[in-house]
Amino acid sequence: KQEVTQIPAALSVPEGENLVLNCSFTDSAIYNLQWFRQDPGKGLTSLLLIQSSQREQTSGRLNASLDKSSGRSTLYIAASQPGDSATYLCAVKDDYKLSFGAGTTVTVRA
Amino acid sequence: GAVVSQHPSRVICKSGTSVKIECRSLDFQATTMFWYRQFPKQSLMLMATSNEGSKATYEQGVEKDKFLINHASLTLSTLTVTSAHPEDSSFYICSASWLRGRISDEQFFGPGTRLTVL
Repeated sequence: KQEVTQIPAALSVPEGENLVLNCSFTDSAIYNLQWFRQDPGKGLTSLLLIQSSQREQTSGRLNASLDKSSGRSTLYIAASQPGDSATYLCAVKDDYKLSFGAGTTVTVRA
Repeated sequence: GAVVSQHPSRVICKSGTSVKIECRSLDFQATTMFWYRQFPKQSLMLMATSNEGSKATYEQGVEKDKFLINHASLTLSTLTVTSAHPEDSSFYICSASWLRGRISDEQFFGPGTRLTVL
């Protein structure tokens, strides 16, 4: 059974600081890994999807890396802004389903 | 593109009543739809997977008779919570994907439905 862990569970930083969010998974036989953003009481917004054959994906201030063999992914958010405050979820897809981590709740202080 | 909607966004009902939640893919044909539930500060847990025109596949521990799923068309899936109880109160999220010949197809998520059972 795939287990996805996100550390830390919560993070508070001053505006402008870079954010580093970690995700680990137990079974490396995955097809892809996806990072989502969830605002309170809202659904999921897909941020980045990394296929298993890729090492990283970038979109604007966001960069996600994937090390499948070690079961790890890291989401970097450069020059954080108060609008980046949200919960960030990672999810891995195997041949059966998406398995989610519990998320990292980020607060960016103005 | 790839927009998924849910209706209603929020519902409050009395214990013992049934509630139906709709999930629609607005601009694509969803061969597969997924239903998740999320408790406060917890992760999304997959409840069931449904393919158009066939019975849903439920995850272990999910009561089939309580959570009825219908995927009657390529753009609509419904989740009916029957005889709802306060412990069914949760945030329900659907997602949809379509077969493009690659198993690693992305899922697109709806905005969620907040169910509160009094």
